Amino acid sequence: SQTIHQWPATLVQPVGSPLSLECTVEGTSNPNLYWYRQAAGRGLQLLFYSVGIGQISSEVPQNLSASRPQDRQFILSSKKLLLSDSGFYLCAWLGDRGTDTQYFGPGTRLTVL
Amino acid sequence: GNSVTQMEGPVTLSEEAFLTINCTYTATGYPSLFWYVQYPGEGLQLLLKATKADDKGSNKGFEATYRKETTSFHLEKGSVQVSDSAVYFCALSGDTGRRALTFGSGTRLQVQP
Repeated sequence: SQTIHQWPATLVQPVGSPLSLECTVEGTSNPNLYWYRQAAGRGLQLLFYSVGIGQISSEVPQNLSASRPQDRQFILSSKKLLLSDSGFYLCAWLGDRGTDTQYFGPGTRLTVL
Repeated sequence: GNSVTQMEGPVTLSEEAFLTINCTYTATGYPSLFWYVQYPGEGLQLLLKATKADDKGSNKGFEATYRKETTSFHLEKGSVQVSDSAVYFCALSGDTGRRALTFGSGTRLQVQP
């Protein structure tokens, strides 16, 4: 069966520090992968998606970037965090290219102080 | 573009009460519709889905019917339990390119014993 992992689970970082969040998927190959952010008390905003290794599409201009160095690995990064980057970051994969169902990881809660 | 509108929360109910969480959408074409649930501190779990008009998705006592004429996908449960306390997100996927989801803002449900 397929599983999706994210780490770390929680992170507290000072303003101006770098960021690296990792997402890995097991049990599937060449999945579509997604990064979403959930700000406090709000819905989910799509940040990036990827259809394959090295292929990244950005949805919202911002302080973040994403990379996909391996088929089942998706990384979210920042060189200098802002207070507004605080939130709950969720990675997801598209279960089957013939359907639209996405499956989510457990998330990373980021607090920028 | 696509959008999803959910009723404002929190919704507070007593155990065994009837639940309705309203969801309406705007989309071009024929989107798939989803309800996801988020328990405290966790990622999103797929609760149910419907892929075409008049389909009824159901899971764990929850139901939602895809109503194209009213562009709605309301979530219902006949008798809620304390363990149903969570945030519920309505979402749609009609984007054939990104295959990404558009989410509503979420509705927090609190069930009291």
